[in-house]
Amino acid sequence: DGGITQSPKYLFRKEGQNVTLSCEQNLNHDAMYWYRQDPGQGLRLIYYSQIVNDFQKGDIAEGYSVSREKKESFPLTVTSAQKNPTAFYLCASSTYARYEQYFGPGTRLTVT
Amino acid sequence: AQTVTQSQPEMSVQEAETVTLSCTYDTSESDYYLFWYKQPPSRQMILVIRQEAYKQQNATENRFSVNFQKAAKSFSLKISDSQLGDAAMYFCAYRSLGATTGTASKLTFGTGTRLQVTL
Repeated sequence: DGGITQSPKYLFRKEGQNVTLSCEQNLNHDAMYWYRQDPGQGLRLIYYSQIVNDFQKGDIAEGYSVSREKKESFPLTVTSAQKNPTAFYLCASSTYARYEQYFGPGTRLTVT
Repeated sequence: AQTVTQSQPEMSVQEAETVTLSCTYDTSESDYYLFWYKQPPSRQMILVIRQEAYKQQNATENRFSVNFQKAAKSFSLKISDSQLGDAAMYFCAYRSLGATTGTASKLTFGTGTRLQVTL
């Protein structure tokens, strides 16, 4: 089955540590996205990538970094510079032929 | 910048009844897409329906339909014959159609409406 996988589902880290969230898709989609979701808010875009080896900052990129070495993979690193990293993180992908984005199951990150 | 507003934080509907969720948006663009996504307790975001702004006909997907009023910048979702499985957060989202590169590719989301379905 084609889809988007995110791992792990739950992630716990100590403050000051960097952590990398995985996102893999086998939909052959060109574009991939990372969103952050906080309680009572909609999703906010962190980073997105249209093609391999290229990515752009979204609305809340500070304290995050990404890479896009393969079409299928778009990992997100939450660095120690992110002031409030505890949140639910969603990865999405889309193809140029259609404009809707398809989402993975998400990763709940808790930093204490 | 585009904004999306969902003014109903929570809604409730009885099983088999019809409910309408509201969404308004602000944009200076003429070409764009609008979406409704559903987020059940599993937190997986699921696409419910999409509407192209250049189409006058309202989109429908089985029990889900929209009322798209371009001049009023309104995009409401109607759920007919509500089922227990419809209980979820519903998000309205906007996407610019003008370009496929740059910030035009992002989705702008509203804050969501929590729908409860009662017996």
